[in-house]
Amino acid sequence: KQEVTQIPAALSVPEGENLVLNCSFTDSAIYNLQWFRQDPGKGLTSLLLIQSSQREQTSGRLNASLDKSSGRSTLYIAASQPGDSATYLCAVTGSNYQLIWGAGTKLIIKP
Amino acid sequence: KAGVTQTPRYLIKTRGQQVTLSCSPISGHRSVSWYQQTPGQGLQFLFEYFSETQRNKGNFPGRFSGRQFSNSRSEMNVSTLELGDSALYLCASSYTSGGSSYNEQFFGPGTRLTVL
Repeated sequence: KQEVTQIPAALSVPEGENLVLNCSFTDSAIYNLQWFRQDPGKGLTSLLLIQSSQREQTSGRLNASLDKSSGRSTLYIAASQPGDSATYLCAVTGSNYQLIWGAGTKLIIKP
Repeated sequence: KAGVTQTPRYLIKTRGQQVTLSCSPISGHRSVSWYQQTPGQGLQFLFEYFSETQRNKGNFPGRFSGRQFSNSRSEMNVSTLELGDSALYLCASSYTSGGSSYNEQFFGPGTRLTVL
């Protein structure tokens, strides 16, 4: 059974710092991995999608990597801003096409 | 292009009642998935519809059901509501090809259901 873990559960850093969020999964048989952002009480915003054949994806200040063999993905945020404060979730699409979710990392960027 | 829309945004019901939630996917998307999000259990997959057929189902009781119409709009129904059904219900749409739903999913704002 696929399990997705995100570490740390919460992170607080000063504005301007670069930071890394981690996501690990137990079954490497995945179609893709997605990183999402969720603001309090709101829906989910897709940030980056990495197909199983890819190693990384970049969008602006965000870079996500995928190492399927070790069951790991990282989300790198450069030059963090207070507007980046949110909960970040990763999810993998497995062989049954279902999204399996991590519990998320709550990120606070202090001005 | 308009995003995924969900109605209503907020609902308050009492135990034993039933509720219907609606989701309109992004134009051209044929797959709609539903998720339940609670503080205790996090995000959990309910079911997925593609071309009016339920293609995938999560581990929820039969009180949770859904359907999809020919225009890809989807509804989710919960009968005999319980206190534990209070949650944020999210739907997501994706463009699929070849019948495999591994493409990027786009989420709506969710429906906040409170059961009293």
